[in-house]
Amino acid sequence: DAKTTQPTSMDCAEGRAANLPCNHSTISGNEYVYWYRQIHSQGPQYIIHGLKNNETNEMASLIITEDRKSSTLILPHATLRDTAVYYCIVRAGSGGGADGLTFGKGTHLIIQP
Amino acid sequence: EAGVTQSPTHLIKTRGQQATLRCSPISGHTSVYWYQQALGLGLQFLLWYDEGEERNRGNFPPRFSGRQFPNYSSELNVNALELEDSALYLCASSPGLAGAFQETQYFGPGTRLLVL
Repeated sequence: DAKTTQPTSMDCAEGRAANLPCNHSTISGNEYVYWYRQIHSQGPQYIIHGLKNNETNEMASLIITEDRKSSTLILPHATLRDTAVYYCIVRAGSGGGADGLTFGKGTHLIIQP
Repeated sequence: EAGVTQSPTHLIKTRGQQATLRCSPISGHTSVYWYQQALGLGLQFLLWYDEGEERNRGNFPPRFSGRQFPNYSSELNVNALELEDSALYLCASSPGLAGAFQETQYFGPGTRLLVL
C-alpha cells in the first residue's frame, strides 16, 4: 500500500469548511484513496473514497489532484461533532490485499466554537 | 438498520485468564474483521473472517484466535492474557463479494479490555 502523509493536527471554526490534506506521492494506478474518521473512544467511521474523479456524498467531498499524488477531504460546514481523528488510507480496490486496513496516525481535527 | 454491535462494552480480566469478545455484523454482511487499538497506538489488523472461514490474520501470536458462526456473527478469543493486551478491540463488517477483502468497512463501538 502507498504511504500517506497527513498533518498531525488542524483547527477549524464551526460553520466553516474544513479542508484536510493527504499526500500519497507513491500511489499506484489501481489504488484508491479512502477516508475514515474516529471520534474519541468510538469505532472508525467510513467517510468516502475515490480513484481519480472527485467524489461527494452526504458527509464530505473528496478532491484528488490530477496526478493523484495528493487529495483533500472537505467537510463543507464543520460542526463540533466533526472533531475527530481523520485517516487517509491508500489501497488497491477489492481483492487488492487481505492484510487489513492500515490506519496511520491521521489528522486530529478540532472544531472550535 | 442496526449497525455492528459488540459485547461486552468493557471487560476486566487478570493476567493468564482468557477473554471472549463477540461481534454481530450488519444484517447481510458476511465478512467480519477484528482490529486491536492499544492506547496511543494505531489500529492493528487482527483477523478477517468471511463465510465462516478465516481468510487472513495479522501479526499476532496464536493465542489470539476466533471464529465465525453460520449467522456470520463472530467471536474473538484471547488466551493467556498479558498486560499489553489491554486495548480497544474493534470489529467491522462488510458485504462479502466473492470472498474479496473490502476496504469499505463498518465498525462497531468496540470492547475495551483491561488486563490487570
